[in-house]
Amino acid sequence: DVKVTQSSRYLVKRTGEKVFLECVQDMDHENMFWYRQDPGLGLRLIYFSYDVKMKEKGDIPEGYSVSREKKERFSLILESASTNQTSMYLCASSLTGAPKPFFGPGTRLTVL
Amino acid sequence: QKEVEQNSGPLSVPEGAIASLNCTYSDRGSQSFFWYRQYSGKSPELIMSIYSNGDKEDGRFTAQLNKASQYVSLLIRDSQPSDSATYLCAVIKTGNQFYFGTGTSLTVIP
Repeated sequence: DVKVTQSSRYLVKRTGEKVFLECVQDMDHENMFWYRQDPGLGLRLIYFSYDVKMKEKGDIPEGYSVSREKKERFSLILESASTNQTSMYLCASSLTGAPKPFFGPGTRLTVL
Repeated sequence: QKEVEQNSGPLSVPEGAIASLNCTYSDRGSQSFFWYRQYSGKSPELIMSIYSNGDKEDGRFTAQLNKASQYVSLLIRDSQPSDSATYLCAVIKTGNQFYFGTGTSLTVIP
């Protein structure tokens, strides 16, 4: 089975802090995604990556950046955390030939 | 216009009944369609995928796709309280980018 892991289940940070969320998948998937999920808004795509060192903006990239130095790892960076970035963050990965995205367990981030 | 639209519900059905969940999408070029189940506080879990017109059955779940009407549905037969969750519809257009609906909340009443 595909396994997607995220570095933390719960995280509390202060406004202005730099925050790193990490995602690792173990099935050699080319594609990796970062979403945030908020009540009533559903899943919104922040960034995605089709390959190492490749990144594409999703629907809401403002205030975020990403890094993919290795195929199995995709990091989301909040450059200066703000309270409106309090959310559930979900990482997903998929195979290009069989694009079924699998999700990690999620990180619930609270910015105080 | 949203890429994927779902009725947010809540949808309530009695135990043992058929639950019907619906989804429409805007892009006729969409290729692949998925249904995810998400329990409260958990991440989405893939339960069905469908790629061609018609029905696809897997146990108590049936996915239906009508590309002409740009419509995808999920039927859950013999609904159980454990089926109570939010169901997300997802669509791939071209490439590998996924678009998700906002989800339909289902409650199965014992």
